[in-house]
Amino acid sequence: TQLLKQSPQFLSIQEGENLTVYCNSSSVFSSLQWYRQEPGEGPVLLVTVVTGGEVKKLKRLTFQFGDARKDSSLHITAAQPGDTGLYLCAARLIYNQGGKLIFGQGTELSVKP
Amino acid sequence: SAVISQKPSRDICQRGTSLTIQCQVDSQVTMMFWYRQQPGQSLTLIATANQGSEATYESGFVIDKFPISRPNLTFSTLTVSNMSPEDSSIYLCSVAVTAESPQHFGDGTRLSIL
Repeated sequence: TQLLKQSPQFLSIQEGENLTVYCNSSSVFSSLQWYRQEPGEGPVLLVTVVTGGEVKKLKRLTFQFGDARKDSSLHITAAQPGDTGLYLCAARLIYNQGGKLIFGQGTELSVKP
Repeated sequence: SAVISQKPSRDICQRGTSLTIQCQVDSQVTMMFWYRQQPGQSLTLIATANQGSEATYESGFVIDKFPISRPNLTFSTLTVSNMSPEDSSIYLCSVAVTAESPQHFGDGTRLSIL
């Protein structure tokens, strides 16, 4: 059973389009991180959200944490080829078993020029 | 954030051999973790490396196959023992200053077993 469901798994869009990636669970999280990974590299932390309803912006990326802290979304405005990569959401359960992260399945994004 | 160095970055190994992967951090961290990842897929936690004590393994992973050392707060090793082609994967270490801090990752070790 996948505790943290991430969708879509694959996304291929044209430069300039907008997109949203979702992470959902029936469990409550104490915090949620979004990572981006390029081939040959490790995941790079984009943002951490901890407060229900929190919205954070990183240039063209907007991250939202659900009011109940069970879900999150990543919205990219006017996508560029440089946004191509694997996007991963990862969350800590409210009872935080030793700092472990639960990872979503990942979203492979391809932005074509 | 911490600078994490992982060695080797890639290797090709023969079936039945063992390989030790090193993870070095430039500052002291409480938490160190080891993950496995198939290309283009998500991460699977192998174990939490505990300083001065035995690692805590996730379901499906055992110490005999993946022995882990954590001699201090800046270094850990993961050994992949008696390798088979099914062990071909990317192995990643991550660190966190505290149990509540975000995790930061090394660039991984790309392992292929012939």
